[in-house]
Amino acid sequence: GAVVSQHPSRVICKSGTSVKIECRSLDFQATTMFWYRQFPKQSLMLMATSNEGSKATYEQGVEKDKFLINHASLTLSTLTVTSAHPEDSSFYICSAREGSGLGTPLHFGNGTRLTVT
Amino acid sequence: GENVEQHPSTLSVQEGDSAVIKCTYSDSASNYFPWYKQELGKRPQLIIDIRSNVGEKKDQRIAVTLNKTAKHFSLHITETQPEDSAVYFCAASGMNRDDKIIFGKGTRLHILP
Repeated sequence: GAVVSQHPSRVICKSGTSVKIECRSLDFQATTMFWYRQFPKQSLMLMATSNEGSKATYEQGVEKDKFLINHASLTLSTLTVTSAHPEDSSFYICSAREGSGLGTPLHFGNGTRLTVT
Repeated sequence: GENVEQHPSTLSVQEGDSAVIKCTYSDSASNYFPWYKQELGKRPQLIIDIRSNVGEKKDQRIAVTLNKTAKHFSLHITETQPEDSAVYFCAASGMNRDDKIIFGKGTRLHILP
């Protein structure tokens, strides 16, 4: 089945620093990737849709200058949390839909647990 | 945009009994409805999905039903086992690969011994 790899799995950083998270589709090409954020005991909230070769589409309330997304190739999307603050501490998960058929499932990376101190 | 409501938020059932989780969606254009299971600290895993051209789908102990007219769909787990304890999320989306998938708030399922 489709595999989505995400790194790092866990990161602790100081307030004010930036953190980059990488998401790779290992055995399929993903023109579109989706970034979700999940706070403890809460649902998966879509942050943005990452499009290969073009600008990401951000959901309402998500600051595009704070969460920089780059989708440089058909297998790699990155999310950079800039000037991180403690309230940015969360579980960030990337995902992509495989295949060219209709109704294809969403496959998730392992997630990145970000702790900002 | 799409809005997905999920109930209940918490569900406790005796081992061996059935569990039912219900979801509603708002966008009539949605036509793909996956269900995910998430264990603590892990990524969500797809357990079953249904497309709008069918009303019911079954995979061993898991079944999903869809009522497009009423815009609701349900997950049924029969003969529940301890390993079924997890958080379950329903979701709704369009069919295309670049259509975003919107999730419900989740149901924490506890299987009681």
